[in-house]
Amino acid sequence: GAVVSQHPSRVICKSGTSVKIECRSLDFQATTMFWYRQFPKQSLMLMATSNEGSKATYEQGVEKDKFLINHASLTLSTLTVTSAHPEDSSFYICSARDGAGGRYGYTFGSGTRLTVV
Amino acid sequence: QKEVEQDPGPLSVPEGAIVSLNCTYSNSAFQYFMWYRQYSRKGPELLMYTYSSGNKEDGRFTAQVDKSSKYISLFIRDSQPSDSATYLCAMRRDNYGQNFVFGPGTRLSVLP
Repeated sequence: GAVVSQHPSRVICKSGTSVKIECRSLDFQATTMFWYRQFPKQSLMLMATSNEGSKATYEQGVEKDKFLINHASLTLSTLTVTSAHPEDSSFYICSARDGAGGRYGYTFGSGTRLTVV
Repeated sequence: QKEVEQDPGPLSVPEGAIVSLNCTYSNSAFQYFMWYRQYSRKGPELLMYTYSSGNKEDGRFTAQVDKSSKYISLFIRDSQPSDSATYLCAMRRDNYGQNFVFGPGTRLSVLP
């Protein structure tokens, strides 16, 4: 089945620094990838939709200058949290629509736990 | 009213029990319904995918959709400790759109 690899799985950074999270589709091409944020005991909240070769579409309330998304190839999307602050600490998850998206839905990465100290 | 509602639990059951997980929703435009399982600190894993109303069975899992009541269910038979996880319902209006809404998830613990 479709596999989405997300790295790193866990990162701790100092306040004010930037962190990059990678999301790769391993065995399929993903023209569209999605970035979610999940707080403890809460559901996934869509942050942005990443489109290969074009600008990402951000959900209302998500700062595009803070959460930079790059989808430079059909298998890789990156999320960069710039000038991170403790309130950015969260679980970030990417997903991609596999080749038969209608049949299998979306495949999720394993998530990245970001802790900003 | 939230678009998708789900009892957050936690729900604790003994091993071997039949588990019933449910979601209600308010938007009648939803047509595609999914159940995801999420282990702690992991990404969600697709369990079941159904279109429109009806039942779908896969091994120990059965998904039911009742569009007239705007109510979906996931049943787990012969529950195992390895089923302990958070179960998220998700739904969307069209096949390829971005309108993909998750429920808050129900935490399930299956006790040996």
